[in-house]
Amino acid sequence: KAGVTQTPRYLIKTRGQQVTLSCSPISGHRSVSWYQQTPGQGLQFLFEYFSETQRNKGNFPGRFSGRQFSNSRSEMNVSTLELGDSALYLCASSTETGGLEQYFGPGTRLTVT
Amino acid sequence: QKEVEQNSGPLSVPEGAIASLNCTYSDRGSQSFFWYRQYSGKSPELIMSIYSNGDKEDGRFTAQLNKASQYVSLLIRDSQPSDSATYLCAVNEYGNKLVFGAGTILRVKS
Repeated sequence: KAGVTQTPRYLIKTRGQQVTLSCSPISGHRSVSWYQQTPGQGLQFLFEYFSETQRNKGNFPGRFSGRQFSNSRSEMNVSTLELGDSALYLCASSTETGGLEQYFGPGTRLTVT
Repeated sequence: QKEVEQNSGPLSVPEGAIASLNCTYSDRGSQSFFWYRQYSGKSPELIMSIYSNGDKEDGRFTAQLNKASQYVSLLIRDSQPSDSATYLCAVNEYGNKLVFGAGTILRVKS
């Protein structure tokens, strides 16, 4: 079974621009969660989508948003990029919501200049 | 703010030894606990999950959970140089939200 895929793998953007990242979960998985990983803050939860509904949201500003499609694929968007948004963005998929095992994709490395 | 604490290390062990990694968490109501391994430049890889008190073994890995003391540990038997990585402890908070510790760097020396 194919794993979680994320596109693009690397991205360089300029401050003030916006960016959209994509995540395709493992086949049959309906929950997709997004995380940001930085050297200073570690891994932090952004939000979770399950059956096209946002189920949970972390402590990030409204510039960070996401959505999930009927095929469980998910996108996250960051508007008005700031230098501090440079990070590895990871998505993780799970069969259901509620504390089950989550499997991470390879991540998208975003650099904001 | 719910917290997960890990010793950042590095923890250095000789090849063939047992590596012991520890994690404490603040939310007494947590029910699901996970260990992830992350190699430099890669994404986290799930290696163990544990949901009830006691030990859970999978190959060379054993996860131990003590909810009364609010700690989770991971033992790696017969440690190999390929086990050298950062080990992340994660605790489920709500839904599928995971709260991660900062990770423990493990170095296995041949």
